[in-house]
Amino acid sequence: GAVVSQHPSWVICKSGTSVKIECRSLDFQATTMFWYRQFPKQSLMLMATSNEGSKATYEQGVEKDKFLINHASLTLSTLTVTSAHPEDSSFYICSASLAGYTDTQYFGPGTRLTVL
Amino acid sequence: AQKVTQAQTEISVVEKEDVTLDCVYETRDTTYYLFWYKQPPSGELVFLIRRNSFDEQNEISGRYSWNFQKSTSSFNFTITASQVVDSAVYFCALLGSGGYNKLIFGAGTRLAVHP
Repeated sequence: GAVVSQHPSWVICKSGTSVKIECRSLDFQATTMFWYRQFPKQSLMLMATSNEGSKATYEQGVEKDKFLINHASLTLSTLTVTSAHPEDSSFYICSASLAGYTDTQYFGPGTRLTVL
Repeated sequence: AQKVTQAQTEISVVEKEDVTLDCVYETRDTTYYLFWYKQPPSGELVFLIRRNSFDEQNEISGRYSWNFQKSTSSFNFTITASQVVDSAVYFCALLGSGGYNKLIFGAGTRLAVHP
């Protein structure tokens, strides 16, 4: 149980284009979903937290207009990187929890974004 | 402030050796939660264990064991008889309980198990 999927697993795009990443909880309804970013050989950095039907809460320094998050249902959250630039290239990982902030987070397999 | 320190950046062992990954945390919350996650080369974070601050019992799951000691603010992870498949980056993480809290990750320990 507690399976989270992400799509796509990797994506290459041209600078200036937008990329959408989907995060789905497959066997449970996720009250809260989280988006992280991970640079090579570094730890995870929380970008934002979203609850179904609410606006996402972004961490300090994360541009909300650049990283659009939509949590339309209890099983789906999307992250759209708008007008992507090479510096946005990174590994993006989502996680989901059943019962909010204090519940265990289950992570997706991640999406590797490369912006040319 | 909340903080997680994993002082060991990389550990290299030979198969069948026992290995302990250290984790030291800082928090002012009286109720908090500690986690260990495994990140193999594929990139996915695999949940290993969750411990709340009121439960100091050590946990054993197969070759994995965890030693939680509030007196030293440590939550160490031991792999017994390591195997090549244990090669991964292991993250210790802390979650507080006061209002909006985020999962605080340590820097991770890269474990390489050689045949």
